[in-house]
Amino acid sequence: QVQLQESGPGLVKPSQTLSLTCTVSGGSISSGGYYWSWIRQHPGKGLEWIGYIYYSGSTYYNPSLKSRVTISVDTSKNQFSLKLSSVTAADTAVYYCARATNPDWFDPWGQGTLVTVSS
Amino acid sequence: QSVLTQPPSASGTPGQRVTISCSGSSSNIGSNYVYWYQQLPGTAPKLLIYRNNQRPSGVPDRFSGSKSGTSASLAISGLRSEDEADYYCAAWDDSLSVVVFGGGTKLTVL
Repeated sequence: QVQLQESGPGLVKPSQTLSLTCTVSGGSISSGGYYWSWIRQHPGKGLEWIGYIYYSGSTYYNPSLKSRVTISVDTSKNQFSLKLSSVTAADTAVYYCARATNPDWFDPWGQGTLVTVSS
Repeated sequence: QSVLTQPPSASGTPGQRVTISCSGSSSNIGSNYVYWYQQLPGTAPKLLIYRNNQRPSGVPDRFSGSKSGTSASLAISGLRSEDEADYYCAAWDDSLSVVVFGGGTKLTVL
């Protein structure tokens, strides 16, 4: 079955760019039919959808984050990535990658990675 | 403040039936499918219900979803201690053009 795993720095300084990668195993991003997504969860709070990318490179971002977000895909490595620029403490969260269908539902999810924004 | 409204907490005793509500509007629940996720302590969310009332394989039939108008509900029957978790509803919002989530309901099994 498909599994996803996030990786990247756990600590980012304010004003810098947060960069995370999601590695997909057990299935190919290139096979199509799914949207590869990023979702975050602020500590002790609810979920916020960040955006997604299709294997072709088409992207869609949450309008509230659009100016700072870039999602890219590397089909040769079966990975997709998130970059969030000009981060502040408000971007401290657990970041999840997930496979989306339609693309309004997410299954499966990665285990998540905590990113703390602090100097 | 979340676009979809859930009660912050719910509780029940083993064997009981509990329901968790999710209230939205015509631009989300009223016109799109509702999804439910279960987040066990310290883990990632897991899809529990899709397209209002469908269960992925492996999800016990103790879990059921329903939708009426601009509201949805998750019902858990035969409550078990391992059901203690946070539960989130979600739906696409046509006005915001994003997936929106509820604030989550913490279920405690007494």
